[in-house]
Amino acid sequence: GQNIDQPTEMTATEGAIVQINCTYQTSGFNGLFWYQQHAGEAPTFLSYNVLDGLEEKGRFSSFLSRSKGYSYLLLKELQMKDSASYLCAVNPGGFKTIFGAGTRLFVKA
Amino acid sequence: GAVVSQHPSWVICKSGTSVKIECRSLDFQATTMFWYRQFPKQSLMLMATSNEGSKATYEQGVEKDKFLINHASLTLSTLTVTSAHPEDSSFYICSARDGQRTYEQYFGPGTRLTVT
Repeated sequence: GQNIDQPTEMTATEGAIVQINCTYQTSGFNGLFWYQQHAGEAPTFLSYNVLDGLEEKGRFSSFLSRSKGYSYLLLKELQMKDSASYLCAVNPGGFKTIFGAGTRLFVKA
Repeated sequence: GAVVSQHPSWVICKSGTSVKIECRSLDFQATTMFWYRQFPKQSLMLMATSNEGSKATYEQGVEKDKFLINHASLTLSTLTVTSAHPEDSSFYICSARDGQRTYEQYFGPGTRLTVT
């Protein structure tokens, strides 16, 4: 079967750094995505990893270890507007993308 | 960036009626579009994959006769919820893949369906 696990909720302080972990077990692997989703809105693309290592994009970085079936999203210099759900998703091959349940991040002042 | 629109953004209908939701890629051709359903505080559940000019591929447990999908052109896919029931109330989101960028999919803004 296909399984993607990530924490349900996290809380962090404005200006801090937070790491959201994701582990996956899928029938195949053709890339891992992170999306941000604000309540009542569609997801927006944050990052894509297909090779091991760290991808940095501004305040957001994403890491992948294929051998461990593990990824994390790192958010630096947290802002209040970063309060949202963060979805880890895997393409197991072909056209489909399988989404995790999402991690709700609360940023407090 | 690539833009996907959905219409309507929200709709309320009576039980037993049908509702059509449109998904359009505005500035690129989408050979493949996806339809997702999302219940509150839950993740996106893929309902079906829609390919232009061919029948949609439905995920296990999704009734193809209830959720009719038509992908008539490279920029338009429609989802029709037939004989809607209150349990069909959900957030429906479409996404589209740009054929020139194989890994990324672009999401529409979603449609909030409430069946009374």
